[in-house]
Amino acid sequence: EPEVTQTPSHQVTQMGQEVILRCVPISNHLYFYWYRQILGQKVEFLVSFYNNEISEKSEIFDDQFSVERPDGSNFTLKIRSTKLEDSAMYFCASSDMARRAYNSPLHFGNGTRLTVT
Amino acid sequence: AQSVTQPDIHITVSEGASLELRCNYSYGATPYLFWYVQSPGQGLQLLLKYFSGDTLVQGIKGFEAEFKRSQSSFNLRKPSVHWSDAAEYFCAVGGRAGTALIFGKGTTLSVSS
Repeated sequence: EPEVTQTPSHQVTQMGQEVILRCVPISNHLYFYWYRQILGQKVEFLVSFYNNEISEKSEIFDDQFSVERPDGSNFTLKIRSTKLEDSAMYFCASSDMARRAYNSPLHFGNGTRLTVT
Repeated sequence: AQSVTQPDIHITVSEGASLELRCNYSYGATPYLFWYVQSPGQGLQLLLKYFSGDTLVQGIKGFEAEFKRSQSSFNLRKPSVHWSDAAEYFCAVGGRAGTALIFGKGTTLSVSS
């Protein structure tokens, strides 16, 4: 079964540094998402992306965050200047918009654990 | 406000016993409801979903869930739990594709022998 893949699985960075988290969504999917899960807390929506533009974003997704689909397969999340509170598990997800809009559950990757020191 | 409540933070059941995980939601539009499972170090795997139609939905691994609109609930059930079911379970509600999924805080399931 096709999977969403994320790299790296774990990234350690120093406060103030830029990080890029990478994702390869399922190939025929058209909607892409980033979620994060701070340790011990709920999974939180960051952003959705469709047709090369942001579809929806949360309050968490401020100017420090950006997303990009640099080619036909990758979907990236960039954090420009990391803060300690950015430490979390970041999940990429994709859904198949080729089906009817409501019948397209999200498929999640295994996540990238970001540790900011 | 849109929200999902999972009242039980941690549940322990004996292997072979039945299981019910509770989920209540608040959502302004037609809700699409999901249960995801997360094993340690893994991503979120979709167990089942409800969009419309039959309010009792079947999922993978022998799980089922029942949508009760009057109670704004979508409880997850399994008649006989296996040790491999130990994991964290998340209920989520959302709308059309591209909109945010709202997750509950999760319920950790432990299975005792």
